[in-house]
Amino acid sequence: SQQGEEDPQALSIQEGENATMNCSYKTSINNLQWYRQNSGRGLVHLILIRSNEREKHSGRLRVTLDTSKKSSSLLITASRAADTASYFCATVMKTSYDKVIFGPGTSLSVIP
Amino acid sequence: GAGVSQSPSNKVTEKGKDVELRCDPISGHTALYWYRQRLGQGLEFLIYFQGNSAPDKSGLPSDRFSAERTGESVSTLTIQRTQQEDSAVYLCASSVLVLSNQPQHFGDGTRLSIL
Repeated sequence: SQQGEEDPQALSIQEGENATMNCSYKTSINNLQWYRQNSGRGLVHLILIRSNEREKHSGRLRVTLDTSKKSSSLLITASRAADTASYFCATVMKTSYDKVIFGPGTSLSVIP
Repeated sequence: GAGVSQSPSNKVTEKGKDVELRCDPISGHTALYWYRQRLGQGLEFLIYFQGNSAPDKSGLPSDRFSAERTGESVSTLTIQRTQQEDSAVYLCASSVLVLSNQPQHFGDGTRLSIL
């Protein structure tokens, strides 16, 4: 099974609502990153949280990390139609500093 | 100020043919990565370069896959004797350094279809 797995696989919300996506992983990590992918495009880096950090903010994004539960969450507040995309968590294991492992992603649809 | 550029954006070819995919990283980026993304799936790591050397080739699915990089610039991913299961989007990314805390900058990929 995967090092990082997002939950849910798909999420549909109304514009203005908050969207929460979760990521679980299996082995100790160096850091965890979240990326966004719009349809037919490459991935865009959103935020990186280190293993010794618990929460990080960037604009409407809030990321939390719980290393005891080996999980992370990405919260998008006041969602917009333009937030419609797939969101991936990516983990960097402590034993492999140079390899970023991506989960299967959460597909978010924000309905205007 | 250009981002990562990949060409071609789409490639349709017959089973058994060889294909060559190209990636132009951001200027000055030491690290370059290749991934494969099947429809509706996450990213599958293929190979990365530090400069023009490839310390980790473990992700290449078979010996039909190879990649090279010229200096710290262009990289090509070659797939020989293509099979239908090779159909996917091939994504390239680059970062300033090969360090886990460096964000990766992605191209828009090459969509490969094997008939």
